[in-house]
Amino acid sequence: DAGVIQSPRHEVTEMGQEVTLRCKPISGHDYLFWYRQTMMRGLELLIYFNNNVPIDDSGMPEDRFSAKMPNASFSTLKIQPSEPRDSAVYFCASSSGDRPSGNTIYFGEGSWLTVV
Amino acid sequence: QQQVKQSPQSLIVQKGGIPIINCAYENTAFDYFPWYQQFPGKGPALLIAIRPDVSEKKEGRFTISFNKSAKQFSLHIMDSQPGDSATYFCAASKGSNYQLIWGAGTKLIIKP
Repeated sequence: DAGVIQSPRHEVTEMGQEVTLRCKPISGHDYLFWYRQTMMRGLELLIYFNNNVPIDDSGMPEDRFSAKMPNASFSTLKIQPSEPRDSAVYFCASSSGDRPSGNTIYFGEGSWLTVV
Repeated sequence: QQQVKQSPQSLIVQKGGIPIINCAYENTAFDYFPWYQQFPGKGPALLIAIRPDVSEKKEGRFTISFNKSAKQFSLHIMDSQPGDSATYFCAASKGSNYQLIWGAGTKLIIKP
């Protein structure tokens, strides 16, 4: 399996611009997660989906952030307008949910976002 | 009560030594405790995990020790190698809740 695929790997954008991060989860996985990682705040869960439906978006920092999952093989995380404090590594991850608990979460390699 | 406290923040060990990373939690409802390993430029990857019904789990050179009464668990790396240099995260979750509560991470450096 190719694993979780994220794009772009690196993005540098100017403050105020729209940023769209993309993710293809592992085939057959029915849970998808978006995480943000920074030195100051560590790993933060932004939102997760089950069977393409958002289950918990309480980690989304503010209305500038939105996430969609139009089908089982694709998700986007959008930031509009972007701000310098959004600079971070954004990880997409997926999981199979085939056990009642403790399912392994598989991470992509991340999208490194710099907002200048 | 939802926090997982991880220590130390960073650790330097000579090759062959046994680095130990500790985590503590408050929520007794947690029933799954994984450790993830993250190399620079990569996403975290599951290394080993334990449930509270056992006190120890070994996978190769990696061992989790679990102390339910103290609400603590730790990762030991036997015969550590420079290739083990990475950031290690402990985490916890309860039941079918997919919201892993993450520790802050430990940056481990193994010196040749």
